[in-house]
Amino acid sequence: EVQLVQSGGGLVQPGGSLRLSCEASGFTFSGHWMHWVRQGPGKGLVWVAHINFDGSSTDYAASMRGRFTISRDNARNILYLQMNSLRVDDTAVYYCVRDVGVPVADRWAKWFDPWGQGSLVTVSA
Amino acid sequence: SYELTQTPSLSVSPGQTTSISCSGDKLGDKFSYWYQQKPGQSPVLIIYQDNRRPSGISERFSGSNSGNTATLTISGTQAMDEADYYCQAWDSSTAVFGPGTKVTVL
Repeated sequence: EVQLVQSGGGLVQPGGSLRLSCEASGFTFSGHWMHWVRQGPGKGLVWVAHINFDGSSTDYAASMRGRFTISRDNARNILYLQMNSLRVDDTAVYYCVRDVGVPVADRWAKWFDPWGQGSLVTVSA
Repeated sequence: SYELTQTPSLSVSPGQTTSISCSGDKLGDKFSYWYQQKPGQSPVLIIYQDNRRPSGISERFSGSNSGNTATLTISGTQAMDEADYYCQAWDSSTAVFGPGTKVTVL
C-alpha cells in the first residue's frame, strides 16, 4: 500500500522553528518529486514547496521562500520540511504529497496522490 | 500569478446531478485535477488529467476542461459526496488550487 506517514508539528512561538517529517512506503520514493501543501484553519489548499527526485532542485511559494527548507533522504524514504522564523499566519495543517507524473504528447500530466494524514502547526505566543 | 476561481458553495438533492466549475485564464490549455476533502480528512484525488478517474473512485464523478473552465460533475449525488472540492492546475512548476466549493447534500 502506498502510504505517507507524517510526524512533527505542534505549538511554537512566533519566530520559532519546527521540522516536519514524512515517511514514505509502498513505492519507490526516489522515483517521485514530492511536495508540501498547507491548509490554514477554515481555509483552502496552498502549495508550499517541491523537491525533485534527488533533492538537487527545490522551489517554494513566495511567502515561504527563505524561511522554509524542503529536503529528502532517499536512503530512508523520508521527506522533510524545516520551518524557521515562523509567523502566526503559518498556522495550518501541513500535508506531504507524492507527485505522480506521466508524459502526454508534448507535455506532462502531474497530480498529487496520495496525501499524508496532515501535521498541525500552531504558531502562537 | 495564475489564479483559479470556484463557486464557494452549492446544494444538491440526493440522486440529482450537479456540476462544479473552476475558471482560469486559458485553463483548457492546461490539465485540470480535482480533489475531494471531507471534514477532518486529507484531500483525495478524484479526477486527474481533466477527465480520468483513479481506481476506486466512483463512476459518478466525471470531469471536463475546455476554454477557460474545468467542470466536475457528480451524477446521482449521494450523501457521502458532501465535501469540499478543490480544482488544481499547474503554473509552470507551481501547483495552483482553486478556493474550493463546499457541496451540501440536502
